[in-house]
Amino acid sequence: NAGVTQTPKFQVLKTGQSMTLQCAQDMNHNSMYWYRQDPGMGLRLIYYSASEGTTDKGEVPNGYNVSRLNKREFSLRLESAAPSQTSVYFCASSEQGTGALKLFFGSGTQLSVL
Amino acid sequence: DAKTTQPPSMDCAEGRAANLPCNHSTISGNEYVYWYRQIHSQGPQYIIHGLKNNETNEMASLIITEDRKSSTLILPHATLRDTAVYYCIVRAPYAGNNRKLIWGLGTSLAVNP
Repeated sequence: NAGVTQTPKFQVLKTGQSMTLQCAQDMNHNSMYWYRQDPGMGLRLIYYSASEGTTDKGEVPNGYNVSRLNKREFSLRLESAAPSQTSVYFCASSEQGTGALKLFFGSGTQLSVL
Repeated sequence: DAKTTQPPSMDCAEGRAANLPCNHSTISGNEYVYWYRQIHSQGPQYIIHGLKNNETNEMASLIITEDRKSSTLILPHATLRDTAVYYCIVRAPYAGNNRKLIWGLGTSLAVNP
């Protein structure tokens, strides 16, 4: 059981290049998330998808787009990368329900934008 | 969602209990207390959560004070592999489309041999 799988693990981009970070989960979870983590700061939510077919902005959505391709997959796209987007990106998933929010995270993508 | 306060760092001897405190004095009656940890370079890992009663699972115990203004995560027999940043988060149950958890900087726990 793989859980949440992210690809790639590392990526270096030049300013202005585009790329897509891929995320897939095999736990049949309804909700999926993209976070970024910068030194000295807590994790910040970029976008999330409460269920298949829906997406919503989080705290820091500017410069990003997302696609909830199906129940398993949730991708994050940088259309024109900027140095400020250098960060570690984590994908997560959770059950959809009215109770506690228990997140399962992938192993992260370390992105450098030069 | 209520804010939390955690010490920035703690040390613990291997084999001893690690007691990680969290202050959440403005917690509301329906807010859960969650604990996650992040081992260096990995994604955060869920540990435990609770509402009012103390909770225990295979990883840790969570002690919540009667007034719910603070809590303690207990790792009963810390190992070197428990060296990580531990995050305490409080949040109300899912309502509408709000799925956000507020992540602070956590407590960096060093387990020493």
